[in-house]
Amino acid sequence: QKEVEQDPGPLSVPEGAIVSLNCTYSNSAFQYFMWYRQYSRKGPELLMYTYSSGNKEDGRFTAQVDKSSKYISLFIRDSQPSDSATYLCAMSFFTPFSGGGADGLTFGKGTHLIIQP
Amino acid sequence: GAVVSQHPSWVICKSGTSVKIECRSLDFQATTMFWYRQFPKQSLMLMATSNEGSKATYEQGVEKDKFLINHASLTLSTLTVTSAHPEDSSFYICSADTSGSPDTQYFGPGTRLTVL
Repeated sequence: QKEVEQDPGPLSVPEGAIVSLNCTYSNSAFQYFMWYRQYSRKGPELLMYTYSSGNKEDGRFTAQVDKSSKYISLFIRDSQPSDSATYLCAMSFFTPFSGGGADGLTFGKGTHLIIQP
Repeated sequence: GAVVSQHPSWVICKSGTSVKIECRSLDFQATTMFWYRQFPKQSLMLMATSNEGSKATYEQGVEKDKFLINHASLTLSTLTVTSAHPEDSSFYICSADTSGSPDTQYFGPGTRLTVL
């Protein structure tokens, strides 16, 4: 079993729809959860991050983490054609204020999202 | 701010040759840089962690003698793929860390390596 599972899609929805993207993970030691957007042949761009369980909202984007279920989600409201991209979840063992250094990230495969005009 | 560049963006080489990829943080100093590899339709996989002035730490299964990493300054890390083979063809992406927190890792645009 891979550490992070993410449905690669493609996921195609009409413009204006609510999009739900999800990842599951197996290692309960992950503490930091992130969502990145990646366009073809480009590096990932950070969208949102959450430490531990809970919700976080930023404009049209909402990130949710349920550590008890080892499940994270990203919701996109009022989706736009410009949101079409690959969305990757990523996780880290990093704990703030622990004095630890930077850690590499563990990524899901990414979900290819297509917003139809 | 927080821009990371990579050079070259695309390289084609013959089997058996070596290729060097540069990763630069343009407007900040990065104590730590990371190198990832992404095969088609696969996740980004961490290859190694590079700290300025010290030896890189490689992930399990990554050959340190094949993937040479040098982090000579706070703004430059290089990855050299030695004696490249077709199975090394991949998308190589670096990231640079500004503060030690996962959300302050900034990614470069990637380098696509094709080995013939």
